[in-house]
Amino acid sequence: DAGITQSPRHKVTETGTPVTLRCHQTENHRYMYWYRQDPGHGLRLIHYSYGVKDTDKGEVSDGYSVSRSKTEDFLLTLESATSSQTSVYFCAISESAGGKYGYTFGSGTRLTVV
Amino acid sequence: AQSVAQPEDQVNVAEGNPLTVKCTYSVSGNPYLFWYVQYPNRGLQFLLKYITGDNLVKGSYGFEAEFNKSQTSFHLKKPSALVSDSALYFCAVRDHYNFNKFYFGSGTKLNVKP
Repeated sequence: DAGITQSPRHKVTETGTPVTLRCHQTENHRYMYWYRQDPGHGLRLIHYSYGVKDTDKGEVSDGYSVSRSKTEDFLLTLESATSSQTSVYFCAISESAGGKYGYTFGSGTRLTVV
Repeated sequence: AQSVAQPEDQVNVAEGNPLTVKCTYSVSGNPYLFWYVQYPNRGLQFLLKYITGDNLVKGSYGFEAEFNKSQTSFHLKKPSALVSDSALYFCAVRDHYNFNKFYFGSGTKLNVKP
């Protein structure tokens, strides 16, 4: 999707290892979000950022941390991966709070924890 | 608490027929509602939103949605379905108190058969 890139696209990791997912945008949007997508649950917000070094928790933040040292990058870290964190992770960006013009989503990272 | 429900996991429709994908919501205050579409191995794409005003909202790709306050519904519609409309559709509602938090439904898979 134009303007937003997630890396890696796929990852398999072992239980107990730390994992970092990266979201990179070229739109200079202030707001960035990390969601996870699981069957039957839709998308659930993990963490979000409303500016450089400004972040807050979403509804499923336990076991995750984030950092935003530059406008364009928003990192999601699984401190010690568990099988319950096997999921598809999506990053989204927005130029305004509340997604007035809708969010732009990345193509996702499929993470498998074995 | 804010939430949305999509009562149908799957909707099947023949090409050329009208389609409806259902969504009901529960919010504190006035609702701020969205529809997104997800094609395989892609992120979500914004279709349309309702903030206030006309109950019939027009969006991308010929889709529209009807807001019904008395029934707390926000159903997605299209007069004539295309095979290319086959995808996963998500309804979402914005949190009344924190504009950065959205709550997504579990998704409805739309199958349009030739």
